Amino acid sequence: EVQLVESGGDLVQPGGSLRLSCAASGFTFSNYEMNWVRQAPGKGLEWLSYISSSGTTVHYADSMKGRFTISRDNAKNSLYLQMNSLRVEDTAIYYCVRVRLQLFDCWGQGTLVTISS
Amino acid sequence: DIQMTQSPSTLSASVGDRVTITCRASQSISSWLAWYQQKPGKAPKLLIYKVSSLQSEVPSRFSGSGSGTEFTLTISSLQPDDFATYYCQQYNSFWTFGQGTKVEIK
Repeated sequence: EVQLVESGGDLVQPGGSLRLSCAASGFTFSNYEMNWVRQAPGKGLEWLSYISSSGTTVHYADSMKGRFTISRDNAKNSLYLQMNSLRVEDTAIYYCVRVRLQLFDCWGQGTLVTISS
Repeated sequence: DIQMTQSPSTLSASVGDRVTITCRASQSISSWLAWYQQKPGKAPKLLIYKVSSLQSEVPSRFSGSGSGTEFTLTISSLQPDDFATYYCQQYNSFWTFGQGTKVEIK
């Protein structure tokens, strides 16, 4: 069974940092591109960042550039999102998403990040 | 950046109704348009890709149409399991979602 399990969500003060992880199983992780998507409470979906299957190519939504860093470890079947200089408006559920033919075909259950003082 | 605009934001309907949701792109995205369904507390699920192709195991009451900048998702006969929020997504240039349409019980 294809599975993506996010972890690392927490309550953090504004200005703080957090590293999210996503553990993949049930498929050959190194063959797939991956993304991070978030959803603020009661709001819509927002694409954040992309990473190629090898990890050599990354892209970010303009609003994330400079604060967030996506990475992966194919030996550990894991995807990461390093988030710095966190703001109240970064409060959201963060989803790890598998990409197939440019489509988001498999989603994790999400991990909640809360930014508050 | 490509912006996606859905309408309506909320739709009240009854079981058996035909439902249509519209999605407009700020520039042409050819046929690179997908639809996702999200139920409360759950992750989104891919329903339709390339405007009108149904993802595996998606019921045939769902259909999609359009091209260029204007697209529609139609549910031919609304079922209890279909009450959810629907998002369009362009994948012509990176990815952008519409703001969502909540289909609620009338």
